[in-house]
Amino acid sequence: DAKTTQPPSMDCAEGRAANLPCNHSTISGNEYVYWYRQIHSQGPQYIIHGLKNNETNEMASLIITEDRKSSTLILPHATLRDTAVYYCIVSSNDYKLSFGAGTTVTVRA
Amino acid sequence: DGGITQSPKYLFRKEGQNVTLSCEQNLNHDAMYWYRQDPGQGLRLIYYSQIVNDFQKGDIAEGYSVSREKKESFPLTVTSAQKNPTAFYLCASSIMAGGIETGELFFGEGSRLTVL
Repeated sequence: DAKTTQPPSMDCAEGRAANLPCNHSTISGNEYVYWYRQIHSQGPQYIIHGLKNNETNEMASLIITEDRKSSTLILPHATLRDTAVYYCIVSSNDYKLSFGAGTTVTVRA
Repeated sequence: DGGITQSPKYLFRKEGQNVTLSCEQNLNHDAMYWYRQDPGQGLRLIYYSQIVNDFQKGDIAEGYSVSREKKESFPLTVTSAQKNPTAFYLCASSIMAGGIETGELFFGEGSRLTVL
């Protein structure tokens, strides 16, 4: 599976949009981009995934570049409860999802 | 409510003892997984199972064993052969749609094992 690169940490203001970048320059054609988040000492929570097209659900939006080498997770109106570690994962099979160190997002009031 | 239940939430054991962590799901999911997480790090896959009576090794299976006798249950045994067992253990299950996994893993709340 392709590797991903995420910034180790980022801050954002409560009520503003949070844009989380992820690079996956070695992604192959059949690999999906998945995003999960983990609030301290809990199990990770699925957010969204996509292949080529941009995706949106009640939690977030996923923007994938046309060449698929990078993506951005957008939390439209960040709240304090969105403080968590966010994982960007690329995989063709979910049972081989590899969770790296992720991005620690801190939402500040 | 449907979900994944892990027990115990906290567990202490002495070196040289085996310990079994329970994972039960009532989501009717076919696939189940065990991950290990060390402080400040991501998750590493220990074992996974896509159907009853079948399971596969993940990236760090040494020192661990599993069974999948029922669809709902996927217990993990941490054996005395595991050299550094102190960690946070997470169980997950996943949806399959049309026989294909959808990529959405549902996780339990985790079991924190400390070896004294």
